[in-house]
Amino acid sequence: DAKTTQPTSMDCAEGRAANLPCNHSTISGNEYVYWYRQIHSQGPQYIIHGLKNNETNEMASLIITEDRKSSTLILPHATLRDTAVYYCIVRVGNDYKLSFGAGTTVTVRA
Amino acid sequence: EAGVAQSPRYKIIEKRQSVAFWCNPISGHATLYWYQQILGQGPKLLIQFQNNGVVDDSQLPKDRFSAERLKGVDSTLKIQPAKLEDSAVYLCASSLGVGGLDTQYFGPGTRLTVL
Repeated sequence: DAKTTQPTSMDCAEGRAANLPCNHSTISGNEYVYWYRQIHSQGPQYIIHGLKNNETNEMASLIITEDRKSSTLILPHATLRDTAVYYCIVRVGNDYKLSFGAGTTVTVRA
Repeated sequence: EAGVAQSPRYKIIEKRQSVAFWCNPISGHATLYWYQQILGQGPKLLIQFQNNGVVDDSQLPKDRFSAERLKGVDSTLKIQPAKLEDSAVYLCASSLGVGGLDTQYFGPGTRLTVL
């Protein structure tokens, strides 16, 4: 049973911001939103996670709505190397398990 | 810091044969995971070890799959006998194992083709 809904695919232009949406309308109070990405022929790579507040690191920003039912991952200046499948995952704070869906295939075009 | 190492990277076998995959986690990581990723799908957890004990193997097809983690470091995943539907990428991941917000670090995976 899917806990998140993401678009199947999206394109973005190199140098522009890429905004990746994720719906998680049934998220519980103790569940975090995690983002991983998987570049072709590589294993998934951790990007960022958050609970309620917006988060930023060197890779991306995570914006979580006030009701926590949706979030957006922002890649501020997309490059061709950001072409990958991006997974939005909700995860209970004390649970190691990551349940991956099909993710969003992001293609950055020159 | 060295990442998660896996070998082989690619393996082709015929159905009913046996195959084994090896994983060396990041040094000091107590928790190790094996995932199966079928083409076009996200990874699915097969088994999770904490040190050398199994924490979760509920998704492991135990009639043909087995895994061990001797001495709480390296791990092997075996399939015996293989079926066509086992064709997939097998990913190993590790984490520190200190608590819930552990970041999992993945290896490059082993791509298995069963003919």
